[in-house]
Amino acid sequence: DTAVSQTPKYLVTQMGNDKSIKCEQNLGHDTMYWYKQDSKKFLKIMFSYNNKELIINETVPNRFSPKSPDKAHLNLHINSLELGDSAVYFCASSTGTGGSQPQHFGDGTRLSIL
Amino acid sequence: AQKVTQAQTEISVVEKEDVTLDCVYETRDTTYYLFWYKQPPSGELVFLIRRNSFDEQNEISGRYSWNFQKSTSSFNFTITASQVVDSAVYFCARPPTDSWGKLQFGAGTQVVVTP
Repeated sequence: DTAVSQTPKYLVTQMGNDKSIKCEQNLGHDTMYWYKQDSKKFLKIMFSYNNKELIINETVPNRFSPKSPDKAHLNLHINSLELGDSAVYFCASSTGTGGSQPQHFGDGTRLSIL
Repeated sequence: AQKVTQAQTEISVVEKEDVTLDCVYETRDTTYYLFWYKQPPSGELVFLIRRNSFDEQNEISGRYSWNFQKSTSSFNFTITASQVVDSAVYFCARPPTDSWGKLQFGAGTQVVVTP
């Protein structure tokens, strides 16, 4: 009965490859997010979707493309992976689009680019 | 940008000591929310507490307590009688007013509790 689940947990791949990370939440939330945590533990938002609509798109290379097939799922596809993409990627969800509700995070996907 | 500052990079304590984590935020708003999250060594991010700017009462949850001071824009977190399981990185966060949906995190404070 995991609330926010991400797959895979670990992803090791070569530079130039394309990869996807999947996220699903069973909390009934209508807003989902992707965050990136770098090697210094700094967390920064990348994207947010509310009811399948993109509402936040930070300055992220267009090699990153989120897709939300329904409000319970938000996937992240990354093209032409680069060394600098190595990080932990967290999916999160919350109710509403405002900042009053806590965001609940998945366990993270550790992406390592060789 | 309205920053969240956690000036302490790492705090090391011996078990049973108390530890206080500082969080200072910038804001021009009267209504805002603040959050604390815990990231244990296993890596997941765990929500601990939400505080809104209208509620200035301090909060206690077991060994955890939070001190919210609007006058100094601080929302500090104290762990009383620390345990080894408290070893983690703790993040303070708030959504900036111009983009409520996203959380702006502080840099985090690593707490190391040794037996």
